Amino acid sequence: NAGVTQTPKFQVLKTGQSMTLQCAQDMNHEYMSWYRQDPGMGLRLIHYSVGAGITDQGEVPNGYNVSRSTTEDFPLRLLSAAPSQTSVYFCASRSLYYTGELFFGEGSRLTVL
Amino acid sequence: AQTVTQSQPEMSVQEAETVTLSCTYDTSESDYYLFWYKQPPSRQMILVIRQEAYKQQNATENRFSVNFQKAAKSFSLKISDSQLGDAAMYFCAYRNTNTGNQFYFGTGTSLTVIP
Repeated sequence: NAGVTQTPKFQVLKTGQSMTLQCAQDMNHEYMSWYRQDPGMGLRLIHYSVGAGITDQGEVPNGYNVSRSTTEDFPLRLLSAAPSQTSVYFCASRSLYYTGELFFGEGSRLTVL
Repeated sequence: AQTVTQSQPEMSVQEAETVTLSCTYDTSESDYYLFWYKQPPSRQMILVIRQEAYKQQNATENRFSVNFQKAAKSFSLKISDSQLGDAAMYFCAYRNTNTGNQFYFGTGTSLTVIP
């Protein structure tokens, strides 16, 4: 029962570097999303997708890019990392046809120096 | 836009006692879902309990129950017989069934369980 798998779990970047956070789910969920968690701010939605080929922006999309070429995968790309992107990132998925609780990955802690 | 407010950044409870975590939300919709998630030090987000707005009966899952007051837009979580493993950050979340399918999270309440 893999559920939602995120990699890497930890990453340190230098300002200006790019990287991709990988997310895969094996539950055939239509909906996938990326959140960032910062102290005192809860979870904020970055981008989401309701199916392959369909993506949309959330509350804090700037500096991030996503694509959804398959149902299973939803990578998050940081184009030019900034210290303000230091955070814990969560990938989450859910079915669109049920009560639709979110299933989360284990999180990825990203530090941008 | 929907907002979710958790006014208690930190709470503590004695082991075996009962604690209630507060959550209020703002919406003009009549059909929605509410959730409580637990985040232990492992960082994993775990669903504790869910409530459908159209159900008047409060949801219960073992030692966890909610007090859902729709008119007051309040959704508190009661943890009975608190255990050391209940120590975690707890997030309240709202999801509208009509528009955007988005989840909105509160800022969390950090619960400490005192042995």
